[in-house]
Amino acid sequence: QQPVQSPQAVILREGEDAVINCSSSKALYSVHWYRQKHGEAPVFLMILLKGGEQKGHEKISASFNEKKQQSSLYLTASQLSYSGTYFCGTLGGGSNYKLTFGKGTLLTVNP
Amino acid sequence: DAGVIQSPRHEVTEMGQEVTLRCKPISGHNSLFWYRQTMMRGLELLIYFNNNVPIDDSGMPEDRFSAKMPNASFSTLKIQPSEPRDSAVYFCASSLGDGETQYFGPGTRLLVL
Repeated sequence: QQPVQSPQAVILREGEDAVINCSSSKALYSVHWYRQKHGEAPVFLMILLKGGEQKGHEKISASFNEKKQQSSLYLTASQLSYSGTYFCGTLGGGSNYKLTFGKGTLLTVNP
Repeated sequence: DAGVIQSPRHEVTEMGQEVTLRCKPISGHNSLFWYRQTMMRGLELLIYFNNNVPIDDSGMPEDRFSAKMPNASFSTLKIQPSEPRDSAVYFCASSLGDGETQYFGPGTRLLVL
């Protein structure tokens, strides 16, 4: 099942902070975060694994609550380059390693 | 290192024609994924391969779609016959291993008239 992302869109001024949430109705093994700029391919930001391990971007932080099956992406002191659509992809574990992506959160950072 | 390579980058065709999209994964990666992205449906996984073997094709819309991976460095997604509703951006992605980071290619923008 597709994870639910919130908010759908957010507009910030440069330097402001934002939080993007991702929740699933099923147990998760890992959550993957990607950013896509208009007309480009999704670019990997971070993986959060069950058990607390994280791999990814140094300037972006995220959390993964296994019990609540939720993840949040924290963008602090936003820059113009942060603009884009953020997707979370969830992996349910087992032997099937297919990611299911949310519909995305459109982030716009204005000067 | 070269990333995931896809060709063509753009394709315009007429309804009923056969379309073949191509993908070269990152060398050494053993998983390959085909996605379709539209405004209405978002990013959908069509099929994925592990060690050249199709693992999950439950996202393939219908029999008009087929995918092959004859070797570790090449995969194709074929649509025959194509329909206007197939118009979308098709991405190929590869990863080093199961559940690892997926690296996306630049995509093929397909327009079926």
